Amino acid sequence: AQSVTQLDSHVSVSEGTPVLLRCNYSSSYSPSLFWYVQHPNKGLQLLLKYTSAATLVKGINGFEAEFKKSETSFHLTKPSAHMSDAAEYFCVVKPGGGNKLTFGTGTQLKVEL
Amino acid sequence: KAGVTQTPRYLIKTRGQQVTLSCSPISGHRSVSWYQQTPGQGLQFLFEYFSETQRNKGNFPGRFSGRQFSNSRSEMNVSTLELGDSALYLCASSLEVGVSYEQYFGPGTRLTVT
Repeated sequence: AQSVTQLDSHVSVSEGTPVLLRCNYSSSYSPSLFWYVQHPNKGLQLLLKYTSAATLVKGINGFEAEFKKSETSFHLTKPSAHMSDAAEYFCVVKPGGGNKLTFGTGTQLKVEL
Repeated sequence: KAGVTQTPRYLIKTRGQQVTLSCSPISGHRSVSWYQQTPGQGLQFLFEYFSETQRNKGNFPGRFSGRQFSNSRSEMNVSTLELGDSALYLCASSLEVGVSYEQYFGPGTRLTVT
């Protein structure tokens, strides 16, 4: 069985300050991990993915995430938030085989001036 | 390359009716998955099709069904609609190259059941 826990349902930051969105996972197999972003009334866009290569993964729009097996974590970070980053972010786990994604409950990121 | 397209984008149906949603994957992608997104339950996996065969299934009642055609286009059907079926239905396709392959999502179909 696999599961994902996003530790914060809402995060608020000021523009230009760092972003940290936290995610812990549980998986019986070596998982693949993803972060997706969803802007209002839009579909999901892939930010980055971890697939057992480098533990520090760089994604689009300046986001990156670090896979820490000992902590079963896959936190998403960005050095400097931009207003356009305001959206809902989903941490996702996929087992080694098959295409069934398990989504976290989402973190709503608010960016203030 | 065109992205995943879903039709219709918005739909209003009445309880007891049935509905069919359509998804066209990215060209060359053979796997199509469906997800339901609601405020209460979040994003939940419905089923996945690959080469016209259902490969995975989530925990939804038999009222939810799907199929995939030889050109990889997929449809999902919900029969005997209930108010709780109101949701955003998302389709995703993947290329299936290598060990792990990301899924690309369409914009979704917003279904409202009255």
